[in-house]
Amino acid sequence: QQQVKQSPQSLIVQKGGISIINCAYENTAFDYFPWYQQFPGKGPALLIAIRPDVSEKKEGRFTISFNKSAKQFSLHIMDSQPGDSATYFCAASREVWSSNTGKLIFGQGTTLQVKP
Amino acid sequence: EAQVTQNPRYLITVTGKKLTVTCSQNMNHEYMSWYRQDPGLGLRQIYYSMNVEVTDKGDVPEGYKVSRKEKRNFPLILESPSPNQTSLYFCASSFAINNEQFFGPGTRLTVL
Repeated sequence: QQQVKQSPQSLIVQKGGISIINCAYENTAFDYFPWYQQFPGKGPALLIAIRPDVSEKKEGRFTISFNKSAKQFSLHIMDSQPGDSATYFCAASREVWSSNTGKLIFGQGTTLQVKP
Repeated sequence: EAQVTQNPRYLITVTGKKLTVTCSQNMNHEYMSWYRQDPGLGLRQIYYSMNVEVTDKGDVPEGYKVSRKEKRNFPLILESPSPNQTSLYFCASSFAINNEQFFGPGTRLTVL
């Protein structure tokens, strides 16, 4: 019920291509879905986040698509660049007022390599 | 500079020797959390705190303790470390659970 499953585990994309990372969740009470980006030797940093009242959110080359009925959300990186090479984590949580819990559940991570 | 600091950054220790990893944030955040990162398992939450003196278990709390006596500090304590606690540890803070979390630089722990 609390799991977030992320795929693929690793991804190799050519420069200029589209990178797609998928996540699936089980708990329909989740209402906050962030994506974090982590470069080697660094802590994760928030990339983009979505709430279930919208089906898509775009920030520059990064887009989250959200499918509430399928309980899935995905990250699309358009025009992928070598500088995008990093590990990406999806996550899910519930608002504290609705759950009285502060748990944030992360996916397993996807290592993206963008080849020049 | 707004940041989350962790110390030490690297630590090699032996089984059973108590250790503490410190975490401090200067952003007046109420929410703080500890995660461990292991290959193939992603980030798993150990403990979190929604405010001073309020802490709760995450998904993998066994073998760990925390305290939140001050808003800015959230130390992670391993009373009797074991080799299966060898991992990369991150502390994070945010204004609330569903806000951007700011992560520290990580502490790589090896337990022999």
